[in-house]
Amino acid sequence: DTGVSQDPRHKITKRGQNVTFRCDPISEHNRLYWYRQTLGQGPEFLTYFQNEAQLEKSRLLSDRFSAERPKGSFSTLEIQRTEQGDSAMYLCASSLWALREQFFGPGTRLTVL
Amino acid sequence: AQSVTQLGSHVSVSEGALVLLRCNYSSSVPPYLFWYVQYPNQGLQLLLKYTSAATLVKGINGFEAEFKKSETSFHLTKPSAHMSDAAEYFCAVSDQGGSEKLVFGKGMKLTVNP
Repeated sequence: DTGVSQDPRHKITKRGQNVTFRCDPISEHNRLYWYRQTLGQGPEFLTYFQNEAQLEKSRLLSDRFSAERPKGSFSTLEIQRTEQGDSAMYLCASSLWALREQFFGPGTRLTVL
Repeated sequence: AQSVTQLGSHVSVSEGALVLLRCNYSSSVPPYLFWYVQYPNQGLQLLLKYTSAATLVKGINGFEAEFKKSETSFHLTKPSAHMSDAAEYFCAVSDQGGSEKLVFGKGMKLTVNP
C-alpha cells in the first residue's frame, strides 16, 4: 500500500468547463475527506464520506460541486461550469474512523483560465 | 466552533537554531490537535498529534509539541533546525462531532538559513 493517490496532479481548464478529480484512499480506510487549499491559506473542509455515504458537506461546496464514493473505495470530485475562483489545490485524505489520523494525498492543483 | 490561530505567516531561523512555531486553539471541549508539514506542491504529512494522553508529544523528524491547557496552546518545537525542515507547517484541530474533520490554521512558512 503506497498511501493516498490523486489524479491528475495538475489540471488547467477554461472557465465554464467541467472537471473531475479522482482520489484513491488507503485500502482499509473507511473515511475519505476532500479539502480545498488556496494560496497562502490552510486547507478548508469540503465534504467527507464514511464508506459510500456522504455524511457532511461544507457551505463552501456550491451546487456546481458534486462528490461520489461508489462502493466505498475511490472517490471523485466534479466541478461543473468552473469559475476562476475555483482555482486551488484540492486535497484528499483518508482515515480509519475514531483513530483521528488523516493521511493526505499529493493533491490536484486546478487552474481555471 | 473550534479554531486554531497561527500568528504571522513566516519565520526564519539559522541552521542548528531552535525552531518554535506557535499555535493557539479555541475549543469548548478537550481538543484533538495536530501538526502537519507541507513541502512545495505536495500534500500534508502528519508530524504529531495530541489526543489527551501525554501533554508532551513527540513526532517525526525530531519535532515535539506541548499541550498547555492553561494557555490554550500547542506550540511546535525542534531543538536544532536542519535545512530539510524548510517547509510550511499547519496546526489543526479535529472537530469533536462525528465527522472528525480538521480545521486548519493559516500556516507558517519556515525558512532555514545556512
